[in-house]
Amino acid sequence: QVQLQESGPGLVKPSQTLSLTCTVSGGSITSGIYYWTWIRQPAGKGLEWLGRIYISGSTTYNPSLKSRVIISIDTSKNQFSLKLNSVTAADTAVYYCARDHGFDNWFDLWGQGTLVTVSS
Amino acid sequence: EIVLTQSPDFQSVTPEEKVTITCRASQSIGSSLHWYQHKPHQSPQLLIKFASQSFSGVPSRFSGSGSGTEFTLTINGLEAEDAATYYCHQSSSLPWTFGQGTKVEIK
Repeated sequence: QVQLQESGPGLVKPSQTLSLTCTVSGGSITSGIYYWTWIRQPAGKGLEWLGRIYISGSTTYNPSLKSRVIISIDTSKNQFSLKLNSVTAADTAVYYCARDHGFDNWFDLWGQGTLVTVSS
Repeated sequence: EIVLTQSPDFQSVTPEEKVTITCRASQSIGSSLHWYQHKPHQSPQLLIKFASQSFSGVPSRFSGSGSGTEFTLTINGLEAEDAATYYCHQSSSLPWTFGQGTKVEIK
C-alpha cells in the first residue's frame, strides 16, 4: 500500500526558504502515470494547489506563487521536494504532498500534512 | 483561474438526514469536478471523481451529480462519522483550484 509522508522544519523565519520533502513508501515513485503534487492549507482557510512534478522532471506551478516555488524529484530516494523562498507569515500553513492521478488529475493519495509556521 | 464557490459554508444536520452541497464553477468545466472529505487532523479523502463516479471504498450514501458549472454532492442518510469539511476541486484548467469548503456538523 503506497503511502506519502511529509518531513521538514516546522518553523521558518521570514524571508528564508521553506523546504519540505515527501517520501513515497510501499511503491515506486516511477510506477504508473502520476504527478507528484504539493497542496497547502492556511489555518481556517481552504486548500491551495501549489504545483506538481512528473517523473521526467517536468513541473507546473501555481502562478500565484510568482516564481517563489521549486518542486524537484529524486527517483533514487523515492522522494520529491518543495522549496518556497522569501516566505512571509502568509505562507504559514499545513503542507500536504499528494498524488495526482495522471490523465484524470484527481488526488487519490495524500500525506498526513505538516504544519509550517513562518515566524521570527 | 477557475473559481469554485461552494454553498452553504456550514451546515448543521441531524443523523439520517440528507445533506446537499453545491459547487459552482466560474466557467464550464465539463465533468472535471471531484469531491473530497476532510476530517480534522487527517488528510483529505477522495469521495467522488468526475462529478458522479464514486471512488473505491466510499460508502454508497455519498453521490455526486452535475456538469458544466453546477455540481452537487449528496449524502443520503448522514452518519456521525460524516462530520467533516467537504471540498470540490476542478481539474479542467490549470492551476487546479478548490472550493472554499463546506463544514458539516452533526447536531
